[in-house]
Amino acid sequence: QSALTQPPSASGSPGQSVTISCTGTSSDIGGHNYVSWYQQHPGKAPKVIIYDVTKRPSGVPDRFSGSKSGNTASLTVSGLLADDEADYYCNSYVGSNTYVFGGGTKLTVL
Amino acid sequence: QLQLQESGPGLVKPSETLSLTCSVSGDSISGSHYYWAWIRQPPGKGLEWIGNVFYTGDPYYSPSLKSRVTIAVDTSKNQFSLKVRSVTAADTAVYFCARHDLMTTTSLDYWGQGALVTVSS
Repeated sequence: QSALTQPPSASGSPGQSVTISCTGTSSDIGGHNYVSWYQQHPGKAPKVIIYDVTKRPSGVPDRFSGSKSGNTASLTVSGLLADDEADYYCNSYVGSNTYVFGGGTKLTVL
Repeated sequence: QLQLQESGPGLVKPSETLSLTCSVSGDSISGSHYYWAWIRQPPGKGLEWIGNVFYTGDPYYSPSLKSRVTIAVDTSKNQFSLKVRSVTAADTAVYFCARHDLMTTTSLDYWGQGALVTVSS
């Protein structure tokens, strides 16, 4: 299985919204609703912020939202804050109890 | 509070076997709703899913690494392990262990802090 495709970078000003895409195939994103998103600050372990395409774990602000259309999943961060500056990774179930990550997107808050 | 901690050598010679252990505390590794996973991240690069294991010992691997990787579980020690054989410089990475929740968040909800393993002679 190949890594999911994410743009290497994204940016926005404080208060704005930014959307990060994650493109796969009908075998992964398009075939299952087990897409999750992870936020990783430098030198830290990733943290799940979206699971099952659209759901947020307890404690994650509703400024983070997820969606999916066909073979592409998206993460939208609204009301950008300085602390949102981080790397973001999508992850999808591929079948046979295996998973795949996207290549990651570096979000810069201008 | 669940905690995961990776341990193992930080330096491995090329062609040898990389071995890491993840110690789980705060809950039993024998829960039927969890997989126990390994993920790695080469310096300055993205995350790569390596594989996971159920408490019964059933492992699942990334196709790209399947021929060189073994993931095992030791329920008596509440630990699981990773072995990568015939390593090269491309295997240099921070290796994370994590819990994959199958019921509530269906995601990697708890992570270790990561362990840097360098492959070099």
